[in-house]
Amino acid sequence: DAGVTQSPTHLIKTRGQQVTLRCSPISGHKSVSWYQQVLGQGPQFIFQYYEKEERGRGNFPDRFSARQFPNYSSELNVNALLLGDSALYLCASSFTSANTGELFFGEGSRLTVL
Amino acid sequence: DQQVKQNSPSLSVQEGRISILNCDYTNSMFDYFLWYKKYPAEGPTFLISISSIKDKNEDGRFTVFLNKSAKHLSLHIVPSQPGDSAVYFCAASVDYGQNFVFGPGTRLSVLP
Repeated sequence: DAGVTQSPTHLIKTRGQQVTLRCSPISGHKSVSWYQQVLGQGPQFIFQYYEKEERGRGNFPDRFSARQFPNYSSELNVNALLLGDSALYLCASSFTSANTGELFFGEGSRLTVL
Repeated sequence: DQQVKQNSPSLSVQEGRISILNCDYTNSMFDYFLWYKKYPAEGPTFLISISSIKDKNEDGRFTVFLNKSAKHLSLHIVPSQPGDSAVYFCAASVDYGQNFVFGPGTRLSVLP
C-alpha cells in the first residue's frame, strides 16, 4: 500500500515568490495535517484538514494557506516567501480527525528560499 | 517559548543496553503524548503513545513512562539495537487533538 506521498521532494525559490506543496494521504485517510520542520528543531504544526474543512491552525502568518480536495489530497501554499521559510514541510494523514495516536508522515518537501 | 523540551541533543548507548530518552513539558493541559522516530530522508514514524490517565505504556522493547506531577516523560528501549539509531521526538497535544507540539529531538546512536 502506498504511504503518504508528497511533491515536490526538493525545490528552490527566491524571496517574494510563491510555492505550492502537494500531499496525497494514505488511501482511506480523511485527515491531513501539515508541519514545518526547521533544521535542528522538531516539526511545528501549521494546519489540519478533515473532510475538506480546516480543523486546526498553528501560529503561522496568513501567507500560509492550505486546502483539501474531495479526494482528500491537500495543498499547502506559501506566499511572499521569506528566507526563514526554508524548511522541511511534512504532511501527515490519519483516518479520523480525532487523536488515534498515530499520524502517518510523508518524507517531506524540502524548500530552500534564496 | 518551548512547551516540549528534550534537553539531551544526543545519546550514545551500547547495543543490548537500555536507552532512556527524556522529555519535559510545561503546558499542564497536555493530555496525550507520543514518541516518534525519524531516520534521515524519511518522515517521522510513530513509536508509542500514552494518555494522561496512565503512567506507563509498553509495546515490545519500548516503554513510555509519564510523571504528570513532574511534567516529565521518558522512553525506555530495552535492549537497544543498532537499528534504533535515529532521532527521537517527543510530542504532546491538548484535548486529544492532532495539533501536536514536538520537542527538538534527541539523536540516539546505538553502538555495536
